[in-house]
Amino acid sequence: GQQLNQSPQSMFIQEGEDVSMNCTSSSIFNTWLWYKQDPGEGPVLLIALYKAGELTSNGRLTAQFGITRKDSFLNISASIPSDVGIYFCAGLGYGGATNKLIFGTGTLLAVQP
Amino acid sequence: DAGVIQSPRHEVTEMGQEVTLRCKPISGHDYLFWYRQTMMRGLELLIYFNNNVPIDDSGMPEDRFSAKMPNASFSTLKIQPSEPRDSAVYFCASSFTDRGHQETQYFGPGTRLLVL
Repeated sequence: GQQLNQSPQSMFIQEGEDVSMNCTSSSIFNTWLWYKQDPGEGPVLLIALYKAGELTSNGRLTAQFGITRKDSFLNISASIPSDVGIYFCAGLGYGGATNKLIFGTGTLLAVQP
Repeated sequence: DAGVIQSPRHEVTEMGQEVTLRCKPISGHDYLFWYRQTMMRGLELLIYFNNNVPIDDSGMPEDRFSAKMPNASFSTLKIQPSEPRDSAVYFCASSFTDRGHQETQYFGPGTRLLVL
């Protein structure tokens, strides 16, 4: 099945550093979402973006819906150890399908105290 | 709210055996999704239901896989016969339609399947 291209694949950072990751697609999506998956758990929604150009924050997390509707960015400021996990972008609305999420390949984040 | 409930959490079986995974969605949600997660292929949508009716099963790998939703509070994903390549984490997720949006899918904890 289709997947979104997500980068970087992994990041190993020090506590307190800022983090940036992005997701790109060759197709247009109507909604972009960012999920976090902790070990042994299912993905949990962090941020949802509904309009091209939209910038949304959730605490230390900020995400943007690319103006071309083909990409999205997630930034985490002042990282802490509990930010460790796998971050997935997901797009909704590919090919007119309103209910099917297409997931990115994931970014593994490791934070050293 | 208990969230999406999946059972079993872990399943180890031998090739050729039938495997049944179970899911209880969040009460009031009208969409239910089954996903499979592997290292090689990431998170893949297998099938989803709306109001207990299968809408899109194009992600189901082959005829060995089947899914049912007999009522609003229960769904099963069955693999018969199972093969080693079916080993993966299977997630169930549910969502509801609110003013046209149903993108907030709530995931269960997953079932870790190992087929020997």
